[in-house]
Amino acid sequence: EDKVVQSPLSLVVHEGDTVTLNCSYEVTNFRSLLWYKQEKKAPTFLFMLTSSGIEKKSGRLSSILDKKELFSILNITATQTGDSAVYLCAADQFYFGTGTSLTVIP
Amino acid sequence: DAGVTQSPTHLIKTRGQQVTLRCSPKSGHDTVSWYQQALGQGPQFIFQYYEEEERQRGNFPDRFSGHQFPNYSSELNVNALLLGDSALYLCASSFPPLNAEAFFGQGTRLTVV
Repeated sequence: EDKVVQSPLSLVVHEGDTVTLNCSYEVTNFRSLLWYKQEKKAPTFLFMLTSSGIEKKSGRLSSILDKKELFSILNITATQTGDSAVYLCAADQFYFGTGTSLTVIP
Repeated sequence: DAGVTQSPTHLIKTRGQQVTLRCSPKSGHDTVSWYQQALGQGPQFIFQYYEEEERQRGNFPDRFSGHQFPNYSSELNVNALLLGDSALYLCASSFPPLNAEAFFGQGTRLTVV
């Protein structure tokens, strides 16, 4: 059965901390791993990863994919209260994890 | 440029009724995917439409059906509603259809009573 598992389920950190969110997958005919941020309703796109070992960066956020070990991580450095959200990872748009709920406290 | 728009935003239905949800994709996108998101869960893929045909389907019963129109907009129909169908229904559009980021709408909150 195809599945995506995220950990931790929830995380509470202080502003300025660095966090690492994990995503493992077991998906047949895997093509890409996507990360989304969901604050209220509509998930917003963060990264799409297709190649192993190549880090993608956007400001304080970065992500990398390991296709051999079937996982990805999302790093957020110098966290801000505006980073508080649920972070979702998905394999090929079709298989989503449960998400990691991140709360950043001032 | 309008993003993905969904209607209605909220809906209350009675068990056994039928419901139709609508989605207009982002300009230039020709692929529409539908998801069901229960509270505290990640989105569950229902199906994807491309060129007016169902291209891929998730593990949902036949009560869930859809349609895509020539202008790429889409409808999700759910028949014989169950209490368990209460969820946020998200529509996402993308181009090309596979291996691409999806842009999500704000969703339709369906409550079945």
